[in-house]
Amino acid sequence: DIQMTQSPSSLSASVGDRVTITCRASQSISSYLNWYQQKPGKAPKVLIFGASSLQSGVPSRFSGRGSGTDFTLTISSLQPEDFATYYCQQSYSSPRTFGQGTKVEVK
Amino acid sequence: QVQLVQSGAEVKKPGSSVKVSCKASGGIFRNYAISWLRQAPGQGPEWMGRITPILGAPNYAQKFQGRVTITADKSTSTAYMELSSLRSEDTAVYYCAADSEVPGLRAPNWFGPWGQGTLVTVSS
Repeated sequence: DIQMTQSPSSLSASVGDRVTITCRASQSISSYLNWYQQKPGKAPKVLIFGASSLQSGVPSRFSGRGSGTDFTLTISSLQPEDFATYYCQQSYSSPRTFGQGTKVEVK
Repeated sequence: QVQLVQSGAEVKKPGSSVKVSCKASGGIFRNYAISWLRQAPGQGPEWMGRITPILGAPNYAQKFQGRVTITADKSTSTAYMELSSLRSEDTAVYYCAADSEVPGLRAPNWFGPWGQGTLVTVSS
């Protein structure tokens, strides 16, 4: 199985900050990388698919980059509704696997 | 409206089985596969298996092979996930999700939308 490792596991930030989360795959996954946002008690919601494509309805302050094994999710200007946990997920091979999550908390 | 609605929380004894339902609306059953995932406290989601309702053929993650059964009832647009031989480590929130993967086609795919989740607690 492909292992997905996120860093950091948590971070503290303020509204307006630029935030970057990193995801590393244990082998090359080309651009088959998705990012999800999850709020407490809710199901995950896809933000980015194919490493850099923004899902319909997702604000443009979210962006994704990378290919191969290294990927980033950036929030250009953190908003109050962005405090949540973020997961990366590879869709390159079965079983599709997720990272352990990065919790974005209020500083 | 495209949505998935799951059955309610369950409390089960070790060694027993649980069956969770997922009712789809808005054309999901016609256009997508349905995957089942679970999320233990403080962990990322874990994919368990999927079914393509119009074809009926399920496939399972190796980890759950032999213990999970995924079915779909096209007449009611409802998918089911049954997990047997439950143990305490199976305590988790179980989700169904629309799955855009097309087997054999190398193309971006993702999970979504998701059901609201079903908490399954395994405890003696």
